[in-house]
Amino acid sequence: DTGVSQDPRHKITKRGQNVTFRCDPISEHNRLYWYRQTLGQGPEFLTYFQNEAQLEKSRLLSDRFSAERPKGSFSTLEIQRTEQGDSAMYLCASSPQDEQYFGPGTRLTVT
Amino acid sequence: GNSVTQMEGPVTLSEEAFLTINCTYTATGYPSLFWYVQYPGEGLQLLLKATKADDKGSNKGFEATYRKETTSFHLEKGSVQVSDSAVYFCALSDNYGQNFVFGPGTRLSVLP
Repeated sequence: DTGVSQDPRHKITKRGQNVTFRCDPISEHNRLYWYRQTLGQGPEFLTYFQNEAQLEKSRLLSDRFSAERPKGSFSTLEIQRTEQGDSAMYLCASSPQDEQYFGPGTRLTVT
Repeated sequence: GNSVTQMEGPVTLSEEAFLTINCTYTATGYPSLFWYVQYPGEGLQLLLKATKADDKGSNKGFEATYRKETTSFHLEKGSVQVSDSAVYFCALSDNYGQNFVFGPGTRLSVLP
């Protein structure tokens, strides 16, 4: 399977803990996106990479959130000092140009 | 900023009925327009797209036409099937393909 993969698929953590999610894009895609999706809503843009460069960050991405894409391949999204409001599905997508291919998502539950 | 508005759901239809899901957008420049579908328990999948005015995107019997004069991209299908039950998201990207904005989604249920 050469689609976008995300790990883990589910994460339960206690408030105040740090969590890190990984996204492996389709190998030839140079664009990578992170989104957050809550129940009944569409995906909300968080950040965007072109190769290893982080080109856009949403106002939604507070200082507790950081994303990296070393070497322009896989990407990680870290949330520090998690809050209950961070509970959501975190989606990764990769793109060769303007079409996005989504991964299955990581569902985060903060207790 | 850019935004997408979709008709609220849920939409419930009988099999073989005609489907329309309305989508309108606000954007500067020349956005590309998309419909994505999320089947139960699965990730988002691109259904169709249109990159310039008057383009028609089509896939799996679904169609949508990029109408710049009405800033709309309504999704249509002539005869829906039970297997079309899913959540449909309208989306746009700016003319650089960088900033994507999604609508809230419309849940479609098709009854046999």
